[in-house]
Amino acid sequence: QKEVEQNSGPLSVPEGAIASLNCTYSDRGSQSFFWYRQYSGKSPELIMSIYSNGDKEDGRFTAQLNKASQYVSLLIRDSQPSDSATYLCAVAAGGKLQFGAGTQVVVTP
Amino acid sequence: EAQVTQNPRYLITVTGKKLTVTCSQNMNHEYMSWYRQDPGLGLRQIYYSMNVEVTDKGDVPEGYKVSRKEKRNFPLILESPSPNQTSLYFCATGPGRVYGYTFGSGTRLTVV
Repeated sequence: QKEVEQNSGPLSVPEGAIASLNCTYSDRGSQSFFWYRQYSGKSPELIMSIYSNGDKEDGRFTAQLNKASQYVSLLIRDSQPSDSATYLCAVAAGGKLQFGAGTQVVVTP
Repeated sequence: EAQVTQNPRYLITVTGKKLTVTCSQNMNHEYMSWYRQDPGLGLRQIYYSMNVEVTDKGDVPEGYKVSRKEKRNFPLILESPSPNQTSLYFCATGPGRVYGYTFGSGTRLTVV
């Protein structure tokens, strides 16, 4: 069983709509949670970090964390074609950082 | 400009020939780490270093060595590369787990 799980997609989202991405993790000792965006052939780029239960908003992005359910999510509002990428969920415990396999998002005009 | 610099960007080598991939950062970060990315398997952590002279294994350390003699550099060493180490490698650095990590541009390694 993978320790960080994401739906692989592709998740097809109309331009202007909300994209909703989900991630579950198995290590209850996990302390920090991240969402990265990765374009094909490029390095991962940090878009959100969250470490307390609840919501955290940054521009068009909202991360949600529920430690009791071991669940992290990312909402992308007003999706743009430039948001088409693979989104990686990452979970940190101490120095260890584990990634999900990523969800591919395709924003269609 | 804040940078994480990996070298080389591309490398083709033969089985058993020792190689080193370098990673350098100018952000004065304590934490540095190495990952490999393979299709279908995602990013997997090889080694990490919380600070100078302190390193620890990630999820896939077999066949790799690291060295953290100074804060800015964290080289990845493959003493005897094998074809199953063909992969895309990333170095990452950060000030702490709350703030996230910045990745280098990657090194695409092919072992034949």
